[in-house]
Amino acid sequence: EAGVAQSPRYKIIEKRQSVAFWCNPISGHATLYWYQQILGQGPKLLIQFQNNGVVDDSQLPKDRFSAERLKGVDSTLKIQPAKLEDSAVYLCASSRDEGWETQYFGPGTRLLVL
Amino acid sequence: AQSVAQPEDQVNVAEGNPLTVKCTYSVSGNPYLFWYVQYPNRGLQFLLKYITGDNLVKGSYGFEAEFNKSQTSFHLKKPSALVSDSALYFCAVRDGNNFNKFYFGSGTKLNVKP
Repeated sequence: EAGVAQSPRYKIIEKRQSVAFWCNPISGHATLYWYQQILGQGPKLLIQFQNNGVVDDSQLPKDRFSAERLKGVDSTLKIQPAKLEDSAVYLCASSRDEGWETQYFGPGTRLLVL
Repeated sequence: AQSVAQPEDQVNVAEGNPLTVKCTYSVSGNPYLFWYVQYPNRGLQFLLKYITGDNLVKGSYGFEAEFNKSQTSFHLKKPSALVSDSALYFCAVRDGNNFNKFYFGSGTKLNVKP
């Protein structure tokens, strides 16, 4: 079974530019998560999708971050415009369902904002 | 506030000795508890979880964890540490009253010395 795929693996941009990350979850997984992991900290949940609907986005900075999951499969996370403090690793995870199901993580996208 | 705490930034242990990585949590409902491990430049890998039932949970690579409701703890243990266990360990909790909320601890760096 293929794991969670993410691209790109690395991205360097200047502040005020925009950037997008892509995630392809494990086949058949209904729930998809985006996390932000700042260096030295644990992952912080940004948004959670159940199929193509948003379950929780309470920690997503909506003035600059947006995410979508079209057709309930792939997802994209966008930042526009980026700030220096957005430098982090962006992790995508998926699970068969919500709640007690195990989340499986992709390798992450490392973003550096200069 | 709902949270999970890992009080030790770093744990050092000699190979062959038992290891413990501590985790305490604070959620409003019954917790669903997880441990993940992160190796350098790799994504988070699931180790084990507690949902209900036996307080002692066994997981991957010989790790186990004990759920203690009275102390609100879920410490990770292994009887005999290996050098290859050296990595960053994260405790995570989902609030049983609100499945949308999932929190990670700040992580504990485990160093196993030969």
